[in-house]
Amino acid sequence: QSVLTQPPSVSGAPGQRVTISCTGSSSNIGADYDVHWYQHIPGTAPKLLIYDNNNRPSGVPDRFSGSKSGTSASLAITGLQAEDEADYYCQSYDSRLSVSYVFGTGTRVSVL
Amino acid sequence: QVTLKESGPALVKPTQTLTLTCTFSGFSLNTFGLRVSWVRQPPGKALEWLARIDWDNDKFYNTPLKTRLTISKDTSKSQVVLTMTNVDPVDTATYHCARMSSSWFFDYWGQGTLVTVSS
Repeated sequence: QSVLTQPPSVSGAPGQRVTISCTGSSSNIGADYDVHWYQHIPGTAPKLLIYDNNNRPSGVPDRFSGSKSGTSASLAITGLQAEDEADYYCQSYDSRLSVSYVFGTGTRVSVL
Repeated sequence: QVTLKESGPALVKPTQTLTLTCTFSGFSLNTFGLRVSWVRQPPGKALEWLARIDWDNDKFYNTPLKTRLTISKDTSKSQVVLTMTNVDPVDTATYHCARMSSSWFFDYWGQGTLVTVSS
């Protein structure tokens, strides 16, 4: 089972702002490990969206932003566009096991 | 341009050994600091990290699966191979390989290959 919890779905109209939460614990996000976010359109390669909590790789629009506080993190999408309809996953590291990358449960973003 | 592509059987029988190959381009796994991992996603479920191999041939495994997994690389062919022994229907999933230019996240992914375990 996933160690990081996300809402199953969020939706918004074009142009609106949506946020996706990612809740962890004291052995992962709360242990000061960074959070990273991926966008996945089923059938295609997942795409790195945000790394190290709030950094965007080259080519990712600044409509996407990330934040982290305590044992949680959030991804915000402003100016929602139809092409943003996808699954989004957070990811961090868990110190309970040696080399343990953990993912969130995933959130489906729908554009109304 | 970095690309990764997974290949392997679409169907395997329970108890058999699954062998998956990740063929990549746009980088060399001889380069200091680069790594390749395997991540899977069962239908309707979350992503699960499986294994990682580093530029210096260090290898790391998801602890509960460690006894069943082997990861290796062939730098000359730009390939990383994952074998999983004694497969079970619960191993049915889309298997992705992903590059890591940092120890902490996956910067490029393949689109994945669906493997079904069924008799």
